[in-house]
Amino acid sequence: GDSVTQMEGPVTLSEEAFLTINCTYTATGYPSLFWYVQYPGEGLQLLLKATKADDKGSNKGFEATYRKETTSFHLEKGSVQVSDSAVYFCALRRNTGKLIFGQGTTLQVKP
Amino acid sequence: EAGVAQSPRYKIIEKRQSVAFWCNPISGHATLYWYQQILGQGPKLLIQFQNNGVVDDSQLPKDRFSAERLKGVDSTLKIQPAKLEDSAVYLCASSLFGREGQETQYFGPGTRLLVL
Repeated sequence: GDSVTQMEGPVTLSEEAFLTINCTYTATGYPSLFWYVQYPGEGLQLLLKATKADDKGSNKGFEATYRKETTSFHLEKGSVQVSDSAVYFCALRRNTGKLIFGQGTTLQVKP
Repeated sequence: EAGVAQSPRYKIIEKRQSVAFWCNPISGHATLYWYQQILGQGPKLLIQFQNNGVVDDSQLPKDRFSAERLKGVDSTLKIQPAKLEDSAVYLCASSLFGREGQETQYFGPGTRLLVL
């Protein structure tokens, strides 16, 4: 069945460091791909999305490119801030609308 | 625009008791989802409604979980009887439609359930 695998956390970085959180997926067809973020004490928020191969989603300095050949959707940011500390979830979307999530990666950014 | 509302925010019950959660989606959103998020894991879909019809309930433990969406708006999720392994955050989400091109799901704050 469809699945999403994320890199293990927690990821701890200093402010202004470069961030990569790896995400790979297994799915039939070409699902839409998403990154959601969960800040402490808050609900899940959509961070960015890509709906077809080679699409790049971007928001708030974060980027991810839909790579069909490697079935990946890695999240990157050039310079993280303390306020980026959160749990990040990679997800794919089936045709019915159902989201299948990875296990989440906790990011801690230290000043 | 008001977001997805859920209540209660927290609930503590003893095992074998029953519990119910309520969700009010964003106005006009036809599709409503209930997800279960166990600590340290990503959310898992329990049930999906399109208006007041069920689209997917394949991962809903039907011997103890039930859900309904009256008049295609609010929804309730019930657990009866609860087990220790039901301790989790229950997330409600909604979207305009369930199909490709209308895919953004908006999540509520969740209900955190602890079963003792």
